[in-house]
Formats: sequence, C-alpha cells, structure tokens
Amino acid sequence: GESVGLHLPTLSVQEGDNSIINCAYSNSASDYFIWYKQESGKGPQFIIDIRSNMDKRQGQRVTVLLNKTVKHLSLQIAATQPGDSAVYFCAEAVTTDSWGKLQFGAGTQVVVTP
Amino acid sequence: DGGITQSPKYLFRKEGQNVTLSCEQNLNHDAMYWYRQDPGQGLRLIYYSQIVNDFQKGDIAEGYSVSREKKESFPLTVTSAQKNPTAFYLCASRGPGNTEAFFGQGTRLTVV
Repeated sequence: GESVGLHLPTLSVQEGDNSIINCAYSNSASDYFIWYKQESGKGPQFIIDIRSNMDKRQGQRVTVLLNKTVKHLSLQIAATQPGDSAVYFCAEAVTTDSWGKLQFGAGTQVVVTP
Repeated sequence: DGGITQSPKYLFRKEGQNVTLSCEQNLNHDAMYWYRQDPGQGLRLIYYSQIVNDFQKGDIAEGYSVSREKKESFPLTVTSAQKNPTAFYLCASRGPGNTEAFFGQGTRLTVV
C-alpha cells in the first residue's frame, strides 16, 4: 500500500550545524504534512506543518520544504542543539478524506554531538 | 490545562489476559486515534474514531478492540488474541479542520 518513508534512519549532527531530515511520500492525494519530534519514552510533539498549496514554511529554527513534483518533504533545523536529539517523524494526511487519518513514516534518529 | 491523558504509564499483562488502556482528552476534539510503536520503529495505526459511537480499523486492528461512548474517551482493549502485545501505545486526538494531532505520553505494555 501507499506509505510515508524516510531516507535516513540515523543522522549524526555536530552541535551548531544545520540538520536536514528527509521524507518521501507516495500517496499523491496527500495534501497535509506534519513533522513531529519524539523524545525517548514520550509521545510525539508537533513541530511544524505544511499544506500542499505551499512549498515552504518556517518556524522557530525550523523550516519545512515540500516538493510535490517528486513527493518529497524535508525538515531543516538551524543551529542544532543537544536538545534536538530525538526521533523525528513525518506524517501525511488526505484532508478531503472525512476520516482524515494520519499515516506516519518510520522516523529518523537525530543525534547531536558536541 | 487542556490535553490528552493516557493511563497507566506502565502496564504488565499476563499471557491470556485482556487489558484496557485509557485515553481521555479535554480538547473537545472529535477525532481520536490509537497507534502502536515498537522499538526503533514508526507509528502504526490500530483504530481511529471521527465521532462518538463510530470507529474504523486501522492497519493493525487484529487482536484489539475500542469503544467511543463519549467524545472525551477512547479506550483500547488489548485482547488475548493479540499474539505480540508488548509495545508502546500512543493515543492522539485532532480538532476540526484537519489540523495536527496531539499525542498523549503513551502506555508501555509488557507481557509477563
């Protein structure tokens, strides 16, 4: 079936550098995308979202880019900090689907090194 | 404070027993979801509900059951038919307009 997936299972980043986490999706009907951060033993926390009528959206130290042509989503974290160490998930949804269920990718473990 | 609460945080079950995981939200959200997470893996959808008294199977519903008698509550029962129930269970809710889902802090279920 169609699914959301990530290119890299683990990303090691030096403190202060920028991080880029990638996500590929295959459901062309998806029009809403979310990035979540999950720390060990906790529930996922919302980071940023983007709708398909946008290519880019910025938050505090984070930017999400959406390339609908190649069905690719990325999360950029500026000036990565030790507190950014976590697993990051992308999720997709079809907002015209009345049930609106979210499908998640496998996740990327980000490790910030000093 | 508004939020979504799961209980208990840790749960131990003997083989052959049914157990029920609680999920309560006071966000006035219509949609609620249950996900299962295994170590080093992503979230897999078990069941979801858009309105009271209605719910749909997700990708891995076998061995699980749910109810949605109240808007605020969406309990998940892990039955003895679930052969490998040890996992981290996450409940989520979403408001109108298909916005982001808010997650609880999870219940870690271990079969002993």
